[in-house]
Amino acid sequence: DIQMTQSPSSLSASVGDRVTITCRASQGIRNDLGWYQQKPGKAPKRLIYAASSLQSGVPSRFSGSGSGTEFTLTISSLQPEDFATYYCLQHNSYPLYTFGQGTKLEIK
Amino acid sequence: QVQLQQWGAGLLKPSETLSLTCAVYGGSFSGYYWSWIRQPPGKGLEWIGEINHSGSTNYNPSLKSRVTISVDTSKNQFSLKLSSVTAADTAVYYCARGRDYYDSSGRYDAFDIWGQGTMVTVSS
Repeated sequence: DIQMTQSPSSLSASVGDRVTITCRASQGIRNDLGWYQQKPGKAPKRLIYAASSLQSGVPSRFSGSGSGTEFTLTISSLQPEDFATYYCLQHNSYPLYTFGQGTKLEIK
Repeated sequence: QVQLQQWGAGLLKPSETLSLTCAVYGGSFSGYYWSWIRQPPGKGLEWIGEINHSGSTNYNPSLKSRVTISVDTSKNQFSLKLSSVTAADTAVYYCARGRDYYDSSGRYDAFDIWGQGTMVTVSS
């Protein structure tokens, strides 16, 4: 099975900071990766698909990059509403989808 | 605008069967796969399985022996049954729109639309 490892597990940052979250796959997954944002008590929201394609309606401060085994989600300038937990998801092993363990982004 | 609305029993005893239903409003029902995903309290997300409009299913091997996903195309609904539940099945369960059924490119990007979630607690 393909394992997805996110780092860091938690992160403290300030409004206006540039933040990067990393997701590593245990084997190459091309660009078969998405990023999701989840706020407490809410369903996840897709931000990025195909590793770097921005979901419609998502602010352009969010961007994704990577291919193969290493991927990054970058928030160029943190806004108050961005404090949440972020998950990566791979579908290279379809029909089995696998999420990363999550990265909690907190206010410093 | 596509919306998913889900419902089902929120409190079960060990060994009972979990049963949830998700209704799809707006958009194409037959054009996508439809999935169930769960999240134990304070933990991460786990994909349970999916179904398409013709009833073809795929399940997570870790749950396959206990999971049944079914579809009712006349109502644009799909349902989840999880048998022999234990406390380890306590979680928020989400329905979500899966991959494009007609996409022949080999891409399986999914979960762009989610239901509101249902908290299911298993306790004696």
